[in-house]
Amino acid sequence: EVLLLESGGGLVQPGGSLRLSCAASGFTFSDYVMNWVRQAPGKGLEWVSTISVRDFSTHYADSVKGRFTISRDNSKYTVYLQMNSLRAEDSAIYFCAKSGSLQLWRDFDYWGQGTLVTVSS
Amino acid sequence: QSVLTQPPSASGTPGQRVTISCSGSSSNIGSSVVHWYQQLPGTAPKLLIYSNNQRSSGVPARFSGSKSGTSASLAISGLQSEDEADYYCAAWDDSLNGHVFGTGTKVTVL
Repeated sequence: EVLLLESGGGLVQPGGSLRLSCAASGFTFSDYVMNWVRQAPGKGLEWVSTISVRDFSTHYADSVKGRFTISRDNSKYTVYLQMNSLRAEDSAIYFCAKSGSLQLWRDFDYWGQGTLVTVSS
Repeated sequence: QSVLTQPPSASGTPGQRVTISCSGSSSNIGSSVVHWYQQLPGTAPKLLIYSNNQRSSGVPARFSGSKSGTSASLAISGLQSEDEADYYCAAWDDSLNGHVFGTGTKVTVL
Protein backbone atom coordinates (compact mmCIF):
# COMPACT_ATOMS: atom_id res chain seq x y z
CA GLU A 1 0.00 0.00 0.00
CA VAL A 2 1.34 3.42 -1.01
CA LEU A 3 1.52 5.85 1.90
CA LEU A 4 2.69 9.45 2.00
CA LEU A 5 2.99 11.14 5.38
CA GLU A 6 3.71 14.85 5.57
CA SER A 7 5.10 16.60 8.62
CA GLY A 8 6.70 19.88 9.62
CA GLY A 9 3.79 22.26 9.26
CA GLY A 10 2.88 24.82 11.88
CA LEU A 11 2.61 28.49 12.73
CA VAL A 12 5.45 30.75 11.59
CA GLN A 13 5.90 34.50 11.47
CA PRO A 14 6.17 36.37 8.16
CA GLY A 15 9.75 36.17 6.91
CA GLY A 16 10.35 32.92 8.76
CA SER A 17 11.25 29.45 7.55
CA LEU A 18 9.82 25.94 7.73
CA ARG A 19 10.95 22.59 6.39
CA LEU A 20 8.28 20.13 5.34
CA SER A 21 8.98 16.42 5.05
CA CYS A 22 7.07 13.69 3.26
CA ALA A 23 7.88 10.11 4.22
CA ALA A 24 6.93 7.60 1.54
CA SER A 25 6.37 3.86 1.66
CA GLY A 26 4.83 1.09 -0.39
CA PHE A 27 6.67 1.75 -3.68
CA THR A 28 10.21 2.09 -5.06
CA PHE A 29 10.73 5.75 -4.19
CA SER A 30 13.71 6.31 -6.50
CA ASP A 31 11.62 5.39 -9.57
CA TYR A 32 9.08 8.19 -9.28
CA VAL A 33 8.87 11.96 -9.63
CA MET A 34 7.63 13.63 -6.44
CA ASN A 35 5.66 16.84 -5.98
CA TRP A 36 4.24 19.39 -3.57
CA VAL A 37 0.80 20.93 -4.07
CA ARG A 38 -0.88 23.44 -1.77
CA GLN A 39 -4.40 24.60 -1.06
CA ALA A 40 -5.17 27.85 0.73
CA PRO A 41 -8.25 27.80 2.98
CA GLY A 42 -11.38 27.70 0.85
CA LYS A 43 -9.36 27.94 -2.37
CA GLY A 44 -8.34 25.65 -5.22
CA LEU A 45 -5.28 23.50 -5.75
CA GLU A 46 -1.97 25.15 -6.64
CA TRP A 47 1.07 23.21 -7.84
CA VAL A 48 4.18 24.26 -5.89
CA SER A 49 7.17 22.16 -6.93
CA THR A 50 8.38 18.95 -8.61
CA ILE A 51 11.62 16.98 -8.37
CA SER A 52 12.65 14.48 -11.00
CA VAL A 53 14.13 11.02 -10.69
CA ARG A 54 17.39 10.73 -12.57
CA ASP A 55 19.03 14.15 -12.53
CA PHE A 56 17.09 15.50 -9.53
CA SER A 57 16.05 18.48 -11.66
CA THR A 58 13.66 20.81 -9.87
CA HIS A 59 10.70 22.88 -11.01
CA TYR A 60 8.85 25.63 -9.15
CA ALA A 61 5.74 27.74 -9.45
CA ASP A 62 6.59 31.40 -10.05
CA SER A 63 4.93 32.27 -6.72
CA VAL A 64 7.59 30.36 -4.74
CA LYS A 65 10.64 30.48 -7.02
CA GLY A 66 13.72 31.71 -5.18
CA ARG A 67 12.15 31.13 -1.76
CA PHE A 68 11.30 27.40 -1.71
CA THR A 69 13.64 24.47 -2.35
CA ILE A 70 12.54 20.91 -3.03
CA SER A 71 14.90 18.00 -2.42
CA ARG A 72 14.77 14.25 -1.99
CA ASP A 73 16.69 11.56 -0.14
CA ASN A 74 16.12 8.28 -1.93
CA SER A 75 17.81 6.32 0.86
CA LYS A 76 15.27 7.66 3.36
CA TYR A 77 12.28 7.53 1.00
CA THR A 78 11.66 11.18 1.82
CA VAL A 79 11.00 14.38 -0.10
CA TYR A 80 11.46 17.78 1.50
CA LEU A 81 10.27 21.33 0.94
CA GLN A 82 12.41 24.05 2.48
CA MET A 83 10.35 27.22 2.70
CA ASN A 84 12.10 30.53 3.36
CA SER A 85 10.94 34.16 3.44
CA LEU A 86 7.42 33.00 4.14
CA ARG A 87 4.50 35.31 3.42
CA ALA A 88 0.90 35.35 4.59
CA GLU A 89 -0.17 34.15 1.15
CA ASP A 90 1.86 30.96 1.64
CA SER A 91 -0.63 29.87 4.33
CA ALA A 92 -2.18 26.64 3.08
CA ILE A 93 -2.42 22.91 3.46
CA TYR A 94 0.63 21.43 1.74
CA PHE A 95 0.14 18.06 0.08
CA CYS A 96 2.88 15.69 -0.99
CA ALA A 97 1.99 13.81 -4.17
CA LYS A 98 3.60 10.95 -6.06
CA SER A 99 3.69 11.06 -9.84
CA GLY A 100 2.54 8.11 -11.91
CA SER A 101 6.00 7.49 -13.37
CA LEU A 102 9.41 9.09 -13.91
CA GLN A 103 7.96 11.46 -16.51
CA LEU A 104 7.39 15.02 -15.37
CA TRP A 105 4.03 15.44 -17.10
CA ARG A 106 2.37 12.44 -15.45
CA ASP A 107 -0.56 12.53 -13.10
CA PHE A 108 -0.38 12.62 -9.30
CA ASP A 109 -1.63 9.15 -8.46
CA TYR A 110 -1.20 9.18 -4.69
CA TRP A 111 -1.53 12.04 -2.22
CA GLY A 112 -0.72 12.49 1.43
CA GLN A 113 -3.24 13.91 3.89
CA GLY A 114 -1.45 17.25 4.00
CA THR A 115 0.21 19.44 6.62
CA LEU A 116 -1.07 22.90 7.54
CA VAL A 117 1.22 25.91 7.28
CA THR A 118 0.04 29.18 8.80
CA VAL A 119 2.07 32.34 8.30
CA SER A 120 0.97 35.00 10.74
CA SER A 121 2.33 37.40 13.32
CA GLN B 1 -3.25 31.95 -10.45
CA SER B 2 -4.95 29.14 -12.37
CA VAL B 3 -4.17 28.80 -16.03
CA LEU B 4 -6.94 26.31 -16.78
CA THR B 5 -10.53 27.57 -16.64
CA GLN B 6 -13.44 25.55 -15.28
CA PRO B 7 -17.02 26.53 -14.47
CA PRO B 8 -17.33 27.22 -10.73
CA SER B 9 -20.30 24.94 -10.28
CA ALA B 10 -22.36 22.18 -11.86
CA SER B 11 -25.35 20.28 -10.61
CA GLY B 12 -27.78 17.51 -11.43
CA THR B 13 -30.29 15.14 -9.95
CA PRO B 14 -29.41 11.53 -9.19
CA GLY B 15 -29.04 9.53 -12.40
CA GLN B 16 -28.43 12.55 -14.61
CA ARG B 17 -25.32 13.20 -16.69
CA VAL B 18 -23.09 16.12 -15.71
CA THR B 19 -20.22 17.49 -17.82
CA ILE B 20 -17.39 19.73 -16.60
CA SER B 21 -15.27 21.66 -19.08
CA CYS B 22 -11.62 22.65 -18.77
CA SER B 23 -10.22 25.29 -21.09
CA GLY B 24 -6.52 25.85 -21.58
CA SER B 25 -4.05 26.85 -24.26
CA SER B 26 -1.52 25.46 -26.72
CA SER B 27 1.20 25.36 -24.06
CA ASN B 28 -0.72 23.07 -21.72
CA ILE B 29 -3.79 21.11 -22.84
CA GLY B 30 -2.90 21.63 -26.48
CA SER B 31 0.48 19.92 -26.06
CA SER B 32 0.05 17.57 -23.11
CA VAL B 33 -2.35 15.15 -21.54
CA VAL B 34 -5.05 16.12 -19.05
CA HIS B 35 -5.70 14.62 -15.64
CA TRP B 36 -8.76 14.98 -13.40
CA TYR B 37 -8.94 14.92 -9.61
CA GLN B 38 -11.85 14.61 -7.20
CA GLN B 39 -11.71 16.22 -3.78
CA LEU B 40 -14.37 15.25 -1.27
CA PRO B 41 -14.98 17.74 1.55
CA GLY B 42 -12.17 17.75 4.10
CA THR B 43 -10.05 15.18 2.30
CA ALA B 44 -7.00 15.05 0.04
CA PRO B 45 -7.54 15.05 -3.73
CA LYS B 46 -7.87 11.70 -5.46
CA LEU B 47 -6.88 10.85 -9.03
CA LEU B 48 -9.93 10.11 -11.19
CA ILE B 49 -8.78 10.24 -14.81
CA TYR B 50 -5.23 10.35 -16.19
CA SER B 51 -3.85 10.85 -19.68
CA ASN B 52 -7.11 12.35 -20.99
CA ASN B 53 -9.36 9.33 -20.70
CA GLN B 54 -7.84 6.59 -18.55
CA ARG B 55 -9.74 5.78 -15.36
CA SER B 56 -7.60 5.36 -12.29
CA SER B 57 -7.81 2.09 -10.41
CA GLY B 58 -11.14 1.62 -8.67
CA VAL B 59 -12.85 4.57 -10.33
CA PRO B 60 -16.38 3.70 -11.51
CA ALA B 61 -17.07 3.54 -15.23
CA ARG B 62 -19.59 6.39 -14.91
CA PHE B 63 -16.61 8.76 -14.90
CA SER B 64 -15.10 9.49 -18.31
CA GLY B 65 -12.69 12.04 -19.77
CA SER B 66 -12.02 13.46 -23.20
CA LYS B 67 -9.81 16.06 -24.83
CA SER B 68 -10.04 18.06 -28.03
CA GLY B 69 -7.55 20.75 -29.01
CA THR B 70 -7.03 23.07 -26.05
CA SER B 71 -10.06 21.90 -24.08
CA ALA B 72 -10.97 18.84 -22.06
CA SER B 73 -14.10 17.50 -20.39
CA LEU B 74 -15.04 15.26 -17.52
CA ALA B 75 -18.41 13.53 -17.68
CA ILE B 76 -20.26 11.87 -14.84
CA SER B 77 -23.03 9.59 -16.04
CA GLY B 78 -25.64 8.31 -13.63
CA LEU B 79 -24.84 10.95 -11.01
CA GLN B 80 -24.84 9.67 -7.43
CA SER B 81 -24.95 11.50 -4.09
CA GLU B 82 -21.40 10.43 -3.29
CA ASP B 83 -20.19 12.30 -6.39
CA GLU B 84 -20.79 15.59 -4.61
CA ALA B 85 -17.27 17.05 -4.50
CA ASP B 86 -14.85 19.50 -6.07
CA TYR B 87 -13.29 18.48 -9.38
CA TYR B 88 -10.03 19.80 -10.83
CA CYS B 89 -8.38 19.36 -14.20
CA ALA B 90 -4.59 19.56 -14.54
CA ALA B 91 -1.88 19.42 -17.17
CA TRP B 92 1.83 20.07 -17.70
CA ASP B 93 2.54 23.53 -19.13
CA ASP B 94 5.57 23.76 -21.45
CA SER B 95 5.82 27.56 -21.13
CA LEU B 96 5.69 27.59 -17.34
CA ASN B 97 7.75 24.39 -17.13
CA GLY B 98 5.41 23.10 -14.46
CA HIS B 99 2.00 21.71 -13.69
CA VAL B 100 -1.13 23.83 -13.82
CA PHE B 101 -4.49 23.14 -12.20
CA GLY B 102 -7.94 24.24 -13.22
CA THR B 103 -9.97 26.68 -11.17
CA GLY B 104 -12.11 23.84 -9.82
CA THR B 105 -15.78 22.92 -10.19
CA LYS B 106 -18.09 22.15 -7.29
CA VAL B 107 -20.60 19.46 -8.23
CA THR B 108 -23.85 19.43 -6.30
CA VAL B 109 -26.34 16.57 -6.38
CA LEU B 110 -29.83 18.06 -6.07
